[in-house]
Amino acid sequence: QLQLQESGPGLVKPSETLSLTCTVSGGSISSSSYYWGWIRQPPGKGLEWIGSIYYSGSTYYNPSLKSRVTISVDTSKNQFSLKLSSVTAADTAVYYCARSLDIWGQGTMVTVSS
Amino acid sequence: QPVLTQPPSASASLGASVTLTCTLSSGYSNYKVDWYQQRPGKGPRFVMRVGTGGIVGSKGDGIPDRFSVLGSGLNRYLTIKNIQEEDESDYHCGADHGSGSNFLVVFGGGTKLTVL
Repeated sequence: QLQLQESGPGLVKPSETLSLTCTVSGGSISSSSYYWGWIRQPPGKGLEWIGSIYYSGSTYYNPSLKSRVTISVDTSKNQFSLKLSSVTAADTAVYYCARSLDIWGQGTMVTVSS
Repeated sequence: QPVLTQPPSASASLGASVTLTCTLSSGYSNYKVDWYQQRPGKGPRFVMRVGTGGIVGSKGDGIPDRFSVLGSGLNRYLTIKNIQEEDESDYHCGADHGSGSNFLVVFGGGTKLTVL
């Protein structure tokens, strides 16, 4: 059964770069049938799509975050990663990774604070 | 890009039925929408995809038969019959838009379902 697990620091300082990794188990990230994405949810608010990547490396980003986001894939480790630069308190959220938005990780809380 | 609108809250009594609505913005009546269930403190769980013809593909793993969908015009509906305590959740709808470099995903604001 496919599972996704987010990992990374739970606390990031303002202006620094948030870095998270999603490890995929129970299946291959190299499948051409799916894409892999990041979604976030600020406390008490709705879901916001951050961006997605295909195993080939093609990326698609939320226009409102595009200038600060990089998503990459490491097929050798069956992982994909998120980098969000110049973070502010508004980036405080639970960050989820997902496969084609039909299988989600449990999420990881990231707080931006000095 | 489409905008998805959901009522912020809904309620239903134990054992009753409830229909949740996700409304697409004008001009997007042919779009499919995904429904997600998010129990308190948990991550979203895919329920099923719906278009104007009803369900598209299969339900998510473990989604009971009590959950069904319909689509009409700009509205995409999720109906839950014989509501159980475990159905008390936030329900989100989402849709993908575009292709190639214009691809993006949008979500509605979510509906909090309270089981009375």
